[in-house]
Amino acid sequence: DIQMTQSPSSLSASVGDRVTITCRASQTILNYLNWYQQKAGKAPKLLIYAASSLQSGVPSRFSGSGSGTDFTLTISSLQPEDSAIYYCQQSHSTPLTFGQGTKLEIK
Amino acid sequence: EVQLVESGGGLVQPGGSLRLSCAASGFTFSSYEMNWVRQAPGKGLEWVSYISGSSSTINYADSVKGRFSISRDNAKKSLYLQMNSLRAEDTAVYYCASQVTWGSYRYWGSWGQGTLVTVSS
Repeated sequence: DIQMTQSPSSLSASVGDRVTITCRASQTILNYLNWYQQKAGKAPKLLIYAASSLQSGVPSRFSGSGSGTDFTLTISSLQPEDSAIYYCQQSHSTPLTFGQGTKLEIK
Repeated sequence: EVQLVESGGGLVQPGGSLRLSCAASGFTFSSYEMNWVRQAPGKGLEWVSYISGSSSTINYADSVKGRFSISRDNAKKSLYLQMNSLRAEDTAVYYCASQVTWGSYRYWGSWGQGTLVTVSS
């Protein structure tokens, strides 16, 4: 199975900050990488697919980049509603596996 | 509007069985591959099982293989997960998720609200 490792595990940032979350795969996954956001008590929500494609309806402050084994999710200007846990997921090989999550808190 | 609604969760003893359902609406259910994903309390996301639109392809995570069975009824727009020989470590919120397959890309665009399964004596 492909292992996905996110960093940091948690972070705290202020409204308006630029935030970057990193995801690393244990082997190359090309650009088969998705990002999800999960708010407290809610189901996950797709943000980014194919490493950099923004899901319809997702604010443009979210962006994704990377290929091979290293990927990033960037929030260009943090908003209060962005407080959540963010997960990366590889879709290169079955089983589709997730990173352990990054908890983002707003200061 | 796409909607997925899970049901069937609850408290069950170790070794017991439970059947989860996921009712779909707002999209052509038979055209979509479906998945079950679970999340243990305070933990991350774990894929459980996959079924193709025609039910011709089914996959399971190693952790549930031989104990869980996924199925679907396209006429009823419903997805199911039969869970047998349940263990404490199966305790989790179970989500159904519809899969978009775009070329060779796969992602889960819609999720249900989840149903809690608790395995305890």
